[in-house]
Amino acid sequence: EAGVAQSPRYKIIEKRQSVAFWCNPISGHATLYWYQQILGQGPKLLIQFQNNGVVDDSQLPKDRFSAERLKGVDSTLKIQPAKLEDSAVYLCASSHWTSGRNEQFFGPGTRLTVL
Amino acid sequence: GDSVTQMEGPVTLSEEACLTINCTYTATGYPSLFWYVQYPGEGLQLLLKATKADDKGSNKGFEATYRKETTSFHLEKGSVQVSDSAVYFCALTSGGGADGLTFGKGTHLIIQP
Repeated sequence: EAGVAQSPRYKIIEKRQSVAFWCNPISGHATLYWYQQILGQGPKLLIQFQNNGVVDDSQLPKDRFSAERLKGVDSTLKIQPAKLEDSAVYLCASSHWTSGRNEQFFGPGTRLTVL
Repeated sequence: GDSVTQMEGPVTLSEEACLTINCTYTATGYPSLFWYVQYPGEGLQLLLKATKADDKGSNKGFEATYRKETTSFHLEKGSVQVSDSAVYFCALTSGGGADGLTFGKGTHLIIQP
């Protein structure tokens, strides 16, 4: 079974530029999550999708971050414009059931550096 | 809101030593509790979980017991190996529809031969 795929793996941009990350969850997984992991900290949930609907985006900085999950499969996370404090690893995860009490499977992450 | 507190690292042990990594939590309702592990150069993966009070999760020789009275989920292993060197994250989810994980800051474990 293929795991969660993310691209790109690394991205370096200047502040005020835009960037987009892509995630392909495990086939059949209805729930998809985006997390932000700043160096030295645990991951922080940004947004949760159930199929193509948003379940929780309470911690997403909506003035600069946006995410979509068209057709309930792939997802993209965009930052526009980026700030220095956005430097982090962006993790995508998926799970099979509607409840996260079942296992969330994580992708390798995209490491973003904002200069 | 929900929060997880785990012991600061790095934790350095000799091979075959006993391990305890403390984790306490604050949550509304009845959360599910998890330990995730990140080996060098790899992604996060689930190590073990417990979904209700007094449950014990176990995997790869690691154990953790869900203690509601002390709001704790400490990770233990009787004899660690060099291959256990990794970053360990305690996490919880309160369940329901919005059930993203709330993580602790992580504990870096270093096992010396």
